[in-house]
Amino acid sequence: KNQVEQSPQSLIILEGKNCTLQCNYTVSPFSNLRWYKQDTGRGPVSLTIMTFSENTKSNGRYTATLDADTKQSSLHITASQLSDSASYICVVSESGGYNKLIFGAGTRLAVHP
Amino acid sequence: ETGVTQTPRHLVMGMTNKKSLKCEQHLGHNAMYWYKQSAKKPLELMFVYNFKEQTENNSVPSRFSPECPNSSHLFLHLHTLQPEDSALYLCASSQARITSGQETQYFGPGTRLLVL
Repeated sequence: KNQVEQSPQSLIILEGKNCTLQCNYTVSPFSNLRWYKQDTGRGPVSLTIMTFSENTKSNGRYTATLDADTKQSSLHITASQLSDSASYICVVSESGGYNKLIFGAGTRLAVHP
Repeated sequence: ETGVTQTPRHLVMGMTNKKSLKCEQHLGHNAMYWYKQSAKKPLELMFVYNFKEQTENNSVPSRFSPECPNSSHLFLHLHTLQPEDSALYLCASSQARITSGQETQYFGPGTRLLVL
């Protein structure tokens, strides 16, 4: 069964610190992997999209990595800010025809001053 | 803002009520989606419309009825809902139905629904 597992479920860090969120998947055949940020009371917003051949992609202070061999991805946040407090959702796309998107349950990050 | 709006933002309804959720996108996209987001659970895809035609219905109960009158508007008609249907309902759009390329979905802010 195609699944996307994210860890930790929740995380609290102090402002200015770095953190790394994990995403493990069993989706096959794999097409691409996306990270979304969802602020409270808002819809998800795309941060990065990576295909099979890409192993790192950055968007400002956010850096996503992908290891297609071990089927793992991480999202690294550098020098965290209070505005980084949100849920971060990993989404893996299954290839073939119209791609099916498999969503993780998300990691809820709280950045404290 | 993402260019996708949803109304109402909050809705409380009884199990015998009939209500509709509205989604409008101002991005010129051709594909629109309804998702259900329950607490601590992954987003669940409900319906997909591509060029106004429904292309996917993920075994959604018939008490949820979608309508797509044109590429910019999407509705979700609700009737005789159950308390377990309480959730955040998200609408999204993309240029075309998600493929293996770099298509990005743009999400609306959602409608927080509470069924009593």
